[in-house]
Amino acid sequence: SQTIHQWPATLVQPVGSPLSLECTVEGTSNPNLYWYRQAAGRGLQLLFYSVGIGQISSEVPQNLSASRPQDRQFILSSKKLLLSDSGFYLCAWSVGIQLSREQYFGPGTRLTVT
Amino acid sequence: LAKTTQPISMDSYEGQEVNITCSHNNIATNDYITWYQQFPSQGPRFIIQGYKTKVTNEVASLFIPADRKSSTLSLPRVSLSDTAVYYCLGLPMNTGFQKLVFGTGTRLLVSP
Repeated sequence: SQTIHQWPATLVQPVGSPLSLECTVEGTSNPNLYWYRQAAGRGLQLLFYSVGIGQISSEVPQNLSASRPQDRQFILSSKKLLLSDSGFYLCAWSVGIQLSREQYFGPGTRLTVT
Repeated sequence: LAKTTQPISMDSYEGQEVNITCSHNNIATNDYITWYQQFPSQGPRFIIQGYKTKVTNEVASLFIPADRKSSTLSLPRVSLSDTAVYYCLGLPMNTGFQKLVFGTGTRLLVSP
């Protein structure tokens, strides 16, 4: 069966510090991968998606970046965090090439920028 | 992508049936109406999806009228553990990348 992992679960970082969040998927090949952010009391905002290794598309311009160094690994990074980067970060995957209407979400990382 | 409108919050009691209505006046021909559930501090979870008429699974039922301008998620005999945020989305049927647009959803609170 497929599983998705995210770490760390929680993170407190000072303004201006770097960020690296990691997401890995097991049990599937060539998944579509996604990064979402959810601010307190808000809906989910799609940040990045990837349909293959090294292929990254950005939905919202910001000081975050994403990379996909391996088929089932997705990394969210920042060189300098802002207070507005605080939120709940969710990684998700969907089936790559087959018809699919469902995304599977990870447990999330709660980031607090102080 | 279809814009959806749903109530901000709903309250219910254990054992009652809960119906959450979603409006999607501009839903596209190839959009499926899709519902996700999100518990606090967890990622959303797919619960049901349909195109027309009625769909039922072990979690919920989804009613979609012929004009597809609205849909109703029905949760039978809710329990405290059904307290969550429920999102209604219009999701195109296609392969490859899919962009999910989550609104603020409906916050359901189930009380004893």
